Amino acid sequence: SYELTQPLSVSVALGQTARIPCGGNNIGTKSVHWYQQKPGQAPVLVIYKDTNRPSWIPERFSASNSGNTATLTISRAQAGDEADYYCQVWDSNTYVFGAGTKVTVL
Amino acid sequence: QVRLVESGGGVVLPGRSLRLSCATSGFTFSDYVMHWVRQAPGKGLEWLAVISYDGTNKYYADSVRGRFTISGDESKNTLYLQMNSLKPEDSAVYYCASEIPLSGNFDYWGQGTLVTVSS
Repeated sequence: SYELTQPLSVSVALGQTARIPCGGNNIGTKSVHWYQQKPGQAPVLVIYKDTNRPSWIPERFSASNSGNTATLTISRAQAGDEADYYCQVWDSNTYVFGAGTKVTVL
Repeated sequence: QVRLVESGGGVVLPGRSLRLSCATSGFTFSDYVMHWVRQAPGKGLEWLAVISYDGTNKYYADSVRGRFTISGDESKNTLYLQMNSLKPEDSAVYYCASEIPLSGNFDYWGQGTLVTVSS
């Protein structure tokens, strides 16, 4: 089965840029989606199909996908961006999540 | 406004059954693919099951195949998850989520319902 690899945690200084990698075998050939989950809340879609933002997500959130790594980038990080972030792909009639990355804004 | 509201969670003995419901509103139920996803305490997200917009295709994660059954009632705009032979490791918050067909992602999520399997 397909596996996605994410770091357990990423720290970023307030106002700086955070980059969250998501590794997978030839992940660049798949559509990658990203979710933000704050404590006690349901996940929220922040990026779909590699680079697209839903209308309710600020432009500070962007993403890329190439080779064996997809990356979610949070620019000008704010305290409200502290959350767990999950990457996800569809593979052979199953839906796979990465283990999640906890983003801490310092 | 799209709304997904799960219900039916609770405490259940190992080996027993439970049925979760997900009441939907704000969109045409039969136009969407619907999913169940769970999250064990302190753990990550685990996809469980999907049902196609017309109910004809269903797929399951290996961890629940043969024990859980996903279904939908278009007349009630409601998604279900029948869970049998429950194990302590099934304890989790269970979310329903919607997908625009063939998009591969989960557009909207419910708030979740907690299932605890314990003696």
